[in-house]
Amino acid sequence: DAGVIQSPRHEVTEMGQEVTLRCKPISGHNSLFWYRQTMMRGLELLIYFNNNVPIDDSGMPEDRFSAKMPNASFSTLKIQPSEPRDSAVYFCASSTAPRNTEAFFGQGTRLTVV
Amino acid sequence: AQKVTQAQTEISVVEKEDVTLDCVYETRDTTYYLFWYKQPPSGELVFLIRRNSFDEQNEISGRYSWNFQKSTSSFNFTITASQVVDSAVYFCALSDQGAQKLVFGQGTRLTINP
Repeated sequence: DAGVIQSPRHEVTEMGQEVTLRCKPISGHNSLFWYRQTMMRGLELLIYFNNNVPIDDSGMPEDRFSAKMPNASFSTLKIQPSEPRDSAVYFCASSTAPRNTEAFFGQGTRLTVV
Repeated sequence: AQKVTQAQTEISVVEKEDVTLDCVYETRDTTYYLFWYKQPPSGELVFLIRRNSFDEQNEISGRYSWNFQKSTSSFNFTITASQVVDSAVYFCALSDQGAQKLVFGQGTRLTINP
């Protein structure tokens, strides 16, 4: 199994531009999570989906952030417009929760907004 | 609210020493799950262990061992005979009964010196 696949691995963009991060979960996993890692706030959950339906988006910082999961094998996290404070590493993870609870993480996307 | 505290921000030891990483958690749930993840310098998050709240048996996996004590709300991680390859940031995490979203501690940066 290829694991959770995220793209791009690195993204540098200018303030005000739209950024789209992509994630392909592990085949057969029914839960998908987006986390953000920063020095100040550590690892925090932004949103998670179960069977393609958003369950909890309370961690999404503001309306500039949106996430979609159009099918079981693909999800996007979009930031529009981007700001320098959005610079972080964004991780996607998937699991078969609640049956098997450990989440497997992708390698992350390092976003830099200048 | 759930909370995970890793009081040790950084630990540095010499190779072959034993080292223990502390994790203290807070939750009002009676059923919950505890996890440890490793983040090596390459940046990905690697799952190490999951433990549910009803299983207080200690776990040993090679040089790694975990001590779960509900009485002190702790889930500590010990590396025996540490090696340079163990150098990483280690995260303790907690999830609720639904085992969906993870609440992470701030992480402990472990450096093993040759």
